[in-house]
Amino acid sequence: QVLLQESGPGLVKPSETLSLTCTVSGGSISSTTYYWGWIRQPPGKGLEWIGNIFSSGSTYYNPSLKSRVTITVDTSNNQFFLKLTSVTAADTALYWCARGDFWSGSPDWGQGTLVAVSS
Amino acid sequence: QSALTQPPSVSGAPGQRVTISCTGSNSNIGARYDVHWYQQFPGAAPKLLIFGNSNRQSGVPDRFSGSKSGTSASLAITGLQAEDEADYYCQSYDSGLTVFGTGTKVTVL
Repeated sequence: QVLLQESGPGLVKPSETLSLTCTVSGGSISSTTYYWGWIRQPPGKGLEWIGNIFSSGSTYYNPSLKSRVTITVDTSNNQFFLKLTSVTAADTALYWCARGDFWSGSPDWGQGTLVAVSS
Repeated sequence: QSALTQPPSVSGAPGQRVTISCTGSNSNIGARYDVHWYQQFPGAAPKLLIFGNSNRQSGVPDRFSGSKSGTSASLAITGLQAEDEADYYCQSYDSGLTVFGTGTKVTVL
């Protein structure tokens, strides 16, 4: 079973960059079958897709966040990363990483990490 | 890319059948993309219930079923149980980009 674990600061100051790491165990991030994604949920709101990355390095981003988001992958350490620049209070959310594919959805999620944006 | 539209809430008594609609467009559900459904409890990660429009994920009770027609999809819960009270989200793709539904809160009366 693939396990995913998010890590990173729980508090980020406004205008700074939010950086999270997702560490994958029990499976190779180099698999060409899957995409590796980031999803978030602001308090009391619905799920918002942030972006996906394939092991090839190809990325796909939510158009509403595209100008501020970068997702990268480190296949040697079985990790992928999220960077979100110029954060505001609206970026306060529970952030998850997940594995998925177009036909099977995303059965594997991390436990999530809460990131608050505040001075 | 727009979110898929779901009713904010549905409710039913124990044992009843409830359905949750997920309305998209010709660029997402109406195209070749599959629809997946997730169940979420407060503070927890979403759990995949249905994948590929109508396939139950391993371990999911058979009272959950999914269907897709045209630009819409539906999740049905038959024999509603108290433990089914949760938020439910549909998910598909739009020109290769992932898109989630707006979410539906299921209340068991």
